[in-house]
Amino acid sequence: RKEVEQDPGPFNVPEGATVAFNCTYSNSASQSFFWYRQDCRKEPKLLMSVYSSGNEDGRFTAQLNRASQYISLLIRDSKLSDSATYLCVVSKTGANNLFFGTGTRLTVIP
Amino acid sequence: DTGVSQDPRHKITKRGQNVTFRCDPISEHNRLYWYRQTLGQGPEFLTYFQNEAQLEKSRLLSDRFSAERPKGSFSTLEIQRTEQGDSAMYLCASSEHGGSYEQYFGPGTRLTVT
Repeated sequence: RKEVEQDPGPFNVPEGATVAFNCTYSNSASQSFFWYRQDCRKEPKLLMSVYSSGNEDGRFTAQLNRASQYISLLIRDSKLSDSATYLCVVSKTGANNLFFGTGTRLTVIP
Repeated sequence: DTGVSQDPRHKITKRGQNVTFRCDPISEHNRLYWYRQTLGQGPEFLTYFQNEAQLEKSRLLSDRFSAERPKGSFSTLEIQRTEQGDSAMYLCASSEHGGSYEQYFGPGTRLTVT
């Protein structure tokens, strides 16, 4: 079983729409959680860390459900510039490496 | 630019040749990581350094791969006797010691083995 599983999409949404991505992780010992954004042929860029209490950064809201072992990302008022692949990322307790999902591709349509 | 830098950005090589990539981390970061990413997949961990010590290696890192960080600053990743299956994007990341393990990635080196 993969460490992190995501729906690969693609998600095609109109500008201004709200879109949500979920991912699940398999190891209950996972400690740190992130969403990264990756544009085509570019490196992943940290979008936000995900905290147990949930956190918000502008139009982006991340939630963590430890009991169900899933992480979500909500994007409100989608912009064309939000078009990218969103990677769900998990780090296990005591581990130094990150485990990435395959990513969910989002295209925001004018 | 004070981000992670990698060199070269692109490398085309013939099967059987050796290649070496360089990564310069963010200057105050003492942790450095190498990942490999193939098309349609997320990055996969290869190896990790804390200062000059290589503390962790993935099973993906076959004996043809070697990484060094001799002075605890820049790092090199060498692939010997390259195979077509080595074609991928090789990403370097760095992070501060401790904290929440937020890693910052360089632009990557895209390797094509013909």
